[in-house]
Amino acid sequence: QVQLVQSGAEVKTPGASVKVSCKGSGYSFSGYYIHWVRQAPGQGLEWMGRMGSNSGGTDYAQNFQGRVTMTRDTSISTAYMELRSLRSDDTAVYYCARDPEGFTQRGLDYWGQGTLVTVSS
Amino acid sequence: QSALTQPPSASGSPGQSVTISCTGTSSDVGNYDYVSWYKQHPGKAPKLMIYEVSKRPSGVPDRFSGSKSGYTASLTVSGLQTEDEADYYCSSFGGSSNVIFGGGTKLTVL
Repeated sequence: QVQLVQSGAEVKTPGASVKVSCKGSGYSFSGYYIHWVRQAPGQGLEWMGRMGSNSGGTDYAQNFQGRVTMTRDTSISTAYMELRSLRSDDTAVYYCARDPEGFTQRGLDYWGQGTLVTVSS
Repeated sequence: QSALTQPPSASGSPGQSVTISCTGTSSDVGNYDYVSWYKQHPGKAPKLMIYEVSKRPSGVPDRFSGSKSGYTASLTVSGLQTEDEADYYCSSFGGSSNVIFGGGTKLTVL
């Protein structure tokens, strides 16, 4: 069955960076896009960007331009999201999600379990 | 781009129908039929319920339906059940390589 399994919770200090992984299984990893969506405590969903698992091409939300990098290693079916210059308001659960089309035309059909990133001094 | 506008809360009794709205602009909901709806229980990942405005993924009950008129998309849940109580989010392709989510609606089954 299709699964996206994310790395574990992280605690970071302000100014640091975090890199979250998302390993896909049960499907052809290169045939889909991976999006990253975050959710601050008690808040809604916020789109961060997407990456083509085959091409590696990326599009980032304006709010994260210059601070986020999305990469992948197709040999191990894993996508990564690195966020730099962390601030306290980056504290959130970070999700990866699969997209068969590119810009959610058919929705984000499978999601990872989420990774809690806590930014605190 | 700003988040799509959803009511913060909605409610209904078991067996009733409830509709949640999602209002965007001419740049997103009004211009593309790429509206999706997600259901999220507390502490869990979102689950896709509707895509392309009105299509249901395999396994989603036909009690869930979607529609769109102008700049507003809607999710209707018919025959409300206790397990429908959750947060619901809409999203839309926003053009310019962008995806936008709504602020979310907490659905309470009374």
